[in-house]
Order: sequence, then C-alpha cells, then structure tokens
Amino acid sequence: DAGVTQSPTHLIKTRGQQVTLRCSPKSGHDTVSWYQQALGQGPQFIFQYYEEEERQRGNFPDRFSGHQFPNYSSELNVNALLLGDSALYLCASSLGFGNTRDIQYFGAGTRLSVL
Amino acid sequence: DAKTTQPTSMDCAEGRAANLPCNHSTISGNEYVYWYRQIHSQGPQYIIHGLKNNETNEMASLIITEDRKSSTLILPHATLRDTAVYYCIVRAGGKLIFGQGTELSVKP
Repeated sequence: DAGVTQSPTHLIKTRGQQVTLRCSPKSGHDTVSWYQQALGQGPQFIFQYYEEEERQRGNFPDRFSGHQFPNYSSELNVNALLLGDSALYLCASSLGFGNTRDIQYFGAGTRLSVL
Repeated sequence: DAKTTQPTSMDCAEGRAANLPCNHSTISGNEYVYWYRQIHSQGPQYIIHGLKNNETNEMASLIITEDRKSSTLILPHATLRDTAVYYCIVRAGGKLIFGQGTELSVKP
C-alpha cells in the first residue's frame, strides 16, 4: 500500500516564475493538506482540500493556490515566486474532513529552491 | 501560533527511556494532543495522539495530566534511529499547528 507520494523531489526556480507541486494521497484517503516548512522551522499550514474544494486556509497570500482532482490527488501552485518561498513543501492526507481524530500522514516533501 | 511549549533540545542514552514533555495550558476540552517526529529532511511521521486518557502503541506511550494542561511522550527504549525533532501539537480543527519541537539526540 503506497503512502503519500509527492513530485518532484527537488525543484529549482527563479524569482517571478510559477511552480506546480503534486501530491497523491494514501490509498483510501480523501482529504489533502499542504504545509510549508522553512529551514529550521516547523511546518506551517497552507490549506486543506476536501471534495475538490478548499475547506480551510492558513495565513498565506493568494499567490498560493491549489486544486484537488476527482481521484483525490492534489496540486499546489505558487505564482510570482519570491526568494522567501524557498522551503520544503509537505503534503499530508487523511480520511474525512473536520474530524480531529483523523491522522494526517505526510509525504517526503518537495524541496523548492528559488534563486 | 502554536498552542504548545516544548524544550528546544534533549539528550537520551541509547536503551534508556526518553521522556519528552509538552505544555498546552490553553487546550480546549475537545482538542486532541498529537505527537509527530521528523527525521532530518523527511516528512513528519505520526507517533500517537490522545484526548484525556493515557495511550500506548507500538512506538510510544502518551501520558496526559488530569487537567490536560501538559503531556509527556515516552519512548521506552530509545535507539539511535529515534534521533529526530519531536513535535507536540494541539489539533485545531483540520489543521496541525506545529511549534519548534524538541530536538532529541540519542547517544550511544
């Protein structure tokens, strides 16, 4: 049973460019959350998708957007990249929205470097 | 902001129990306490969670005080592979709010 998979593993972009990161949830999971982890910091919640809609959002600008597909996979898009967007981007999947007991399982992340 | 406070770092001898404390004095009655760990450059790994009662699984035990204002994660027999950053999280709805965590170093 595959866990949460993310692609690509590493990515290098330049300022002003746009990037798309991809996530496939754990089998049977229907909810996907995205987190940003800067070097030396804990992960910060970006947003969560359930039933193809953004259900909850953290304190991130509109440059960060996402999408969830009918097969529950998800994309994170970041426009107009800034140097400060350099980070490890983590995807987590879980079963059921709004249930505080549901365990979120994380992928290995995508390391984004903005030059 | 994170609703938890943890020591920045701790050391533990290999084979001994590692006890990681966490304060969450503002926790609400229906909020769960979750523990994750993150080994360098990997995604966070779920360890255990609980609401009121103590919990145990194959990885660890979670002891929650009666007033629920603090908890302790116990790794009964720490190994070198348990060296990681351990995050104590109070679950706020669908999102996990991570703090700085405790960097645990298990030494031979």
